[in-house]
Amino acid sequence: DQQVKQNSPSLSVQEGRISILNCDYTNSMFDYFLWYKKYPAEGPTFLISISSIKDKNEDGRFTVFLNKSAKHLSLHIVPSQPGDSAVYFCAASEISDKLIFGTGTRLQVFP
Amino acid sequence: DAGVIQSPRHEVTEMGQEVTLRCKPISGHNSLFWYRQTMMRGLELLIYFNNNVPIDDSGMPEDRFSAKMPNASFSTLKIQPSEPRDSAVYFCASTLGLAVGELFFGEGSRLTVL
Repeated sequence: DQQVKQNSPSLSVQEGRISILNCDYTNSMFDYFLWYKKYPAEGPTFLISISSIKDKNEDGRFTVFLNKSAKHLSLHIVPSQPGDSAVYFCAASEISDKLIFGTGTRLQVFP
Repeated sequence: DAGVIQSPRHEVTEMGQEVTLRCKPISGHNSLFWYRQTMMRGLELLIYFNNNVPIDDSGMPEDRFSAKMPNASFSTLKIQPSEPRDSAVYFCASTLGLAVGELFFGEGSRLTVL
């Protein structure tokens, strides 16, 4: 039933190393994908997105990769910083339709 | 500019009581979404409005839940009667247009039903 899945509930990474967060989806009609970041007691905030016509989008330390054949996307954070510690949600939508979110992955970046 | 404003931030109530959560979207945004965050399901879409009209309410759990948007600057999510399993953080989000891209979320309303 869950169309967007984040199978790793948590991830712990050392400061300066790469963080890789994964997301799988089941709906082949999804054509737009986003990552949101959420700090405790705050609402999620948009981080980065990618359209299905691309396989990579980069914004500073953040890069999202899309593998349509595998219905998989990932978020890479390089280098990871303690301020990146948060819950990351993957989300997807069909054209002009609602955003479907995953269950989130809690990232902890330690010194 | 003010972001999405939600109230109350925290609500503790007893089972069977009515709960009303409120949301003021960002001025100029014409789409509004209500999400619920739980550990098991992550962020679930409950309902969304476009130009004050409900477009998709398929995520509303059951008849105990209702949502209204009487004007472009205000929406409510009501639970009557509330149950312990309704305990969650409820988020309101808004955006411009129907095609979803970046949603702007409020800080959420944490509901605890005892």
